[in-house]
Amino acid sequence: ETGVTQTPRHLVMGMTNKKSLKCEQHLGHNAMYWYKQSAKKPLELMFVYSLEERVENNSVPSRFSPECPNSSHLFLHLHTLQPEDSALYLCASSQGSRVNYGYTFGSGTRLTVV
Amino acid sequence: AQKVTQAQTEISVVEKEDVTLDCVYETRDTTYYLFWYKQPPSGELVFLIRRNSFDEQNEISGRYSWNFQKSTSSFNFTITASQVVDSAVYFCALSEGSSSNTGKLIFGQGTTLQVKP
Repeated sequence: ETGVTQTPRHLVMGMTNKKSLKCEQHLGHNAMYWYKQSAKKPLELMFVYSLEERVENNSVPSRFSPECPNSSHLFLHLHTLQPEDSALYLCASSQGSRVNYGYTFGSGTRLTVV
Repeated sequence: AQKVTQAQTEISVVEKEDVTLDCVYETRDTTYYLFWYKQPPSGELVFLIRRNSFDEQNEISGRYSWNFQKSTSSFNFTITASQVVDSAVYFCALSEGSSSNTGKLIFGQGTTLQVKP
């Protein structure tokens, strides 16, 4: 266990479904991130939250909607996804929003859109 | 613009061989940080090392060593006497330390290392 927990580990959803990914950290970190890892592509930063405020949104389609209710929890709400959205979604946290402290990653949610 | 290149997509070695994973980066900042992460089959990225741009000393940690050379913008990672448990995807990453207040790691495409018994 890294201290960052992601649920579920695997998710299969239809294109018309609505689902949510959950990330929880108990490291006392105050910045959290969503990354997308597709096959044969670099990890893509999706969203950054610092002190529960979204500070970056990297041109992510609106069918992905993040939520950070407190510094320990981060959600990624999904709706009307496309098959190309199938990927490993990784959550990370860091102490301070400056990444020179390094990230701690969760194990990811393997999402398959059918 | 920031960029990290890991030219080796896949490497296969036999146990006990030494192996070097290459990483070349691009940045305009004079202050930056370099990282290596390991991603085993379980999926999570495990932090291995962080280096800042002002510290060019090479580092050794057990069977792992890192060679940081600013002159060639490289931050290579060597595993000595590789073991089957070293099989994983390894990512090199870059952060510009003097940029925005938001954390942002730029990753290379990763190198898949397979160590055969």
